[in-house]
Amino acid sequence: GDSVTQMEGPVTLSEEAFLTINCTYTATGYPSLFWYVQYPGEGLQLLLKATKADDKGSNKGFEATYRKETTSFHLEKGSVQVSDSAVYFCALRPNAGGTSYGKLTFGQGTILTVHP
Amino acid sequence: DVKVTQSSRYLVKRTGEKVFLECVQDMDHENMFWYRQDPGLGLRLIYFSYDVKMKEKGDIPEGYSVSREKKERFSLILESASTNQTSMYLCAGRGGGPYAEAFFGQGTRLTVV
Repeated sequence: GDSVTQMEGPVTLSEEAFLTINCTYTATGYPSLFWYVQYPGEGLQLLLKATKADDKGSNKGFEATYRKETTSFHLEKGSVQVSDSAVYFCALRPNAGGTSYGKLTFGQGTILTVHP
Repeated sequence: DVKVTQSSRYLVKRTGEKVFLECVQDMDHENMFWYRQDPGLGLRLIYFSYDVKMKEKGDIPEGYSVSREKKERFSLILESASTNQTSMYLCAGRGGGPYAEAFFGQGTRLTVV
């Protein structure tokens, strides 16, 4: 079945450092890929997404590129802020041709802490 | 803004109790989901529903059931709560169409003692 693997955390960075959180997936066909963020005490929010190979999703300075050849969707940000401290989840959704009804498969989550 | 609202942020229940977790969405979404979030395991799908009175098991349905009598409301039921069901529960709603986004509630942290 489908699966998503994220780099193990937690990740601790100083403000303005470069961030990479690795994500690889296993799926049949061409899934859509997502990064969700969970701030302390809140539910999940969609951070960015990509629906086909070579698409780049971006939002709030974060970027991720859908790489089908390496089955990866790594999250990057050039300069993190204290306010980026949160849990980040990589996820996939099977393509529209199936009967998945939009079920998401999540990675295990990566805790990011940014210090001033 | 789309809203998915879970009725409780925190719940404490006793072992063996029947527990209801309620979720309401305001955007006429066809699809609704219940996930469980545990450290190191990410989110795992318990049940989902694609229409009123329709439901399907997710990856970890054991010990849970669901009810969807109205389109806007999706309830998760723990028939007899156990301590291993202590967790964060997240509800999500999603409209139809291949590229519709899923929206999540704020979560219910359930502790079973």
